Amino acid sequence: DQQVKQNSPSLSVQEGRISILNCDYTNSMFDYFLWYKKYPAEGPTFLISISSIKDKNEDGRFTVFLNKSAKHLSLHIVPSQPGDSAVYFCAASLYGGGGADGLTFGKGTHLIIQP
Amino acid sequence: DVKVTQSSRYLVKRTGEKVFLECVQDMDHENMFWYRQDPGLGLRLIYFSYDVKMKEKGDIPEGYSVSREKKERFSLILESASTNQTSMYLCASSLGQAHSPLHFGNGTRLTVT
Repeated sequence: DQQVKQNSPSLSVQEGRISILNCDYTNSMFDYFLWYKKYPAEGPTFLISISSIKDKNEDGRFTVFLNKSAKHLSLHIVPSQPGDSAVYFCAASLYGGGGADGLTFGKGTHLIIQP
Repeated sequence: DVKVTQSSRYLVKRTGEKVFLECVQDMDHENMFWYRQDPGLGLRLIYFSYDVKMKEKGDIPEGYSVSREKKERFSLILESASTNQTSMYLCASSLGQAHSPLHFGNGTRLTVT
C-alpha cells in the first residue's frame, strides 16, 4: 500500500500562473516532508522541505504547505516558468528526515508549463 | 557541491548475468541509498547503508545485494539479472543527521534482455 500519494500524474499550467502540486500521506509517523524535482536523464534534486512542526515554508518562488490533520501537503510555484517543467516527487521521512531510514516517495507529478 | 557519481549511464545485460552498479560520493556522507525508478511507480528504496560494512533492506530488496567496503562507495549487485530488473537505478547519499536531504546521482539505465 502506498504511504505517499500523488494522485495527479500530470499537470499543465500556463507560464506566469500558479502551479499547485498536491501530495497525501497515510503514515502519521512521518515527521518531515520534502519535494524533489527531476529532469529527464538526471537524478532528482532537492527543492524544499518542511518539518511537521510547521505549516508553511517558503523559498523564493516555492512554498510548501502542510496540513497535518488532513495528512496533506502542497507545493506552490509562483510564478511558473518554462524551466519548472519537470517531474516533481513528494517524499516523506520518519524521525527527522533524510536519515538512515531513507525517504518514501510518491509516484511523481509531471508539471508542464505552457508558454 | 555534493557530487554523486554512478559509473555507467546505460547498461545492457543478459538474463542470468551478474551485474554490478557502482556509486561514489565525494562529500564524506554517512548514509548511502539505492533506489529504482519505474514509470507509474515512482522511486522505491532497494537497500541503504548508514556506515561502512553496514546495510539495511529497503522496500524491494529481493534479487539484489549491496556492498559498502569504503565510506565513499556503495555498490548494488544483481546476482542473476532478470528482465523485471530492467529499470532506472538511482544512487543517493546524505549526511548522518536529521533533516539532511538526499543527493542523487544521474542514474543508470539498465536493460536486461
